[in-house]
Amino acid sequence: DAMVIQNPRYQVTQFGKPVTLSCSQTLNHNVMYWYQQKSSQAPKLLFHYYDKDFNNEADTPDNFQSRRPNTSFCFLDIRSPGLGDAAMYLCATSIYAGNTGELFFGEGSRLTVL
Amino acid sequence: AQSVSQHNHHVILSEAASLELGCNYSYGGTVNLFWYVQYPGQHLQLLLKYFSGDPLVKGIKGFEAEFIKSKFSFNLRKPSVQWSDTAEYFCAVTPRDTDKLIFGTGTRLQVFP
Repeated sequence: DAMVIQNPRYQVTQFGKPVTLSCSQTLNHNVMYWYQQKSSQAPKLLFHYYDKDFNNEADTPDNFQSRRPNTSFCFLDIRSPGLGDAAMYLCATSIYAGNTGELFFGEGSRLTVL
Repeated sequence: AQSVSQHNHHVILSEAASLELGCNYSYGGTVNLFWYVQYPGQHLQLLLKYFSGDPLVKGIKGFEAEFIKSKFSFNLRKPSVQWSDTAEYFCAVTPRDTDKLIFGTGTRLQVFP
């Protein structure tokens, strides 16, 4: 059974039209992450939550926002997508227990910007 | 800045060939080391990990990796690959003073029957 579920799997939007990607987890993990992965590049961390504490990476554009209304759900909002935001967006979770660093990933949401 | 380098971007092998994928990281402190695999159309999943102890770690599906501290390396090996090993392989590092997983750029492995 899927433990980290991302929706939608594929999202097509127009330049500048806001998009929301969702992630839900059944693992009850208290840490959730959003990564951006462009073609032939390493996944890049955008931000993560320890419970409700939000941690933004210094180089994450302001265009990207996130919400975590409860333990199970986390959302990625792209306020005004540009062509350069076309990518695979990966959600991941982990138990914060002594820096294990072991993450569990969803299947990703592929964003296309027209 | 902390980084992870994977030397091979694309590897093509025949079944039963041996595999070694290189991974080096740049970080002066203690790290946890991982290899993740992504099969076509599937999510990233953990292949193996090293936290401490025996530097030779064994993972799923016959994979192993060796941590060489002096070389800042964590190379992935498999003695005999199968067609089902066709996938993208990512080396990743978590510095012990953070919980952030830093990925390498990945190696695409294609295995032909």
